[in-house]
Amino acid sequence: GQNIDQPTEMTATEGAIVQINCTYQTSGFNGLFWYQQHAGEAPTFLSYNVLDGLEEKGRFSSFLSRSKGYSYLLLKELQMKDSASYLCAVRRVGRGSTLGRLYFGRGTQLTVWP
Amino acid sequence: KAGVTQTPRYLIKTRGQQVTLSCSPISGHRSVSWYQQTPGQGLQFLFEYFSETQRNKGNFPGRFSGRQFSNSRSEMNVSTLELGDSALYLCASSSWGGQGVMETQYFGPGTRLLVL
Repeated sequence: GQNIDQPTEMTATEGAIVQINCTYQTSGFNGLFWYQQHAGEAPTFLSYNVLDGLEEKGRFSSFLSRSKGYSYLLLKELQMKDSASYLCAVRRVGRGSTLGRLYFGRGTQLTVWP
Repeated sequence: KAGVTQTPRYLIKTRGQQVTLSCSPISGHRSVSWYQQTPGQGLQFLFEYFSETQRNKGNFPGRFSGRQFSNSRSEMNVSTLELGDSALYLCASSSWGGQGVMETQYFGPGTRLLVL
C-alpha cells in the first residue's frame, strides 16, 4: 500500500511562514499533489510536482525529493483565510494507462492566528 | 468552463435504504473518481471511471457501486445504507492528456449524506 504521512495539526500567526511536510512510500510514483480544503468545502488544487525541486506559485511553493519520498508545502505571508486542511496526495502509475489513482494523506489542519 | 457539479448537495436517509448520487464532470473531462470523506478516515478512494469503464477500485464493499454514461456523467449508488456511510461524498474529474501529460483532479462540492 501507500504510506502517506503528514502532521495532523499546525498553528501559525498572520504574516508568518509555515512549512507542511509530507512523506510517502510508494512504488510507481507518478506525481505529488497538494490540495487545500476549507471546512465544509471541497478540496481545491494548489500544486503539482513530478520532478525534484521547487515549484513556486505566488505565496505558495511546493518542493519534492523523489529519492527521499518527501515533499513540503510552503505558505508565506500567512493570512487568516489560509486556515484550512492541507492534503498531500500521491499518484501511482495506473495499470495499462498513464493515469493512476490518487492516494491521499489524512491532511494537516492549519490554524492561522491574528 | 463550469466546474464539477454534484447533486444532491445534502441528503438524509435511514438505515437500509439506498441512495444514488450524481456527478457531472468539467466539460471535456472523461475521467471521474469518487471519494468518501469522514473525519476519522480522511479521503478514501471509492472508484474511478474512464470512458464508461471502471478503471480503478478502492477497498469498499459491494454495496458501493457506480457507473459512467457516454457523456461522462457518473453516478454512484450505495445500497442497504448503514450508519457508518454518513460522510461527504466527493467526485473529481480530470482530463486525459496522453503519455507524459499531467492531469489534475478537480473536485466537485460534494454530497453530504446523513444516515439515521
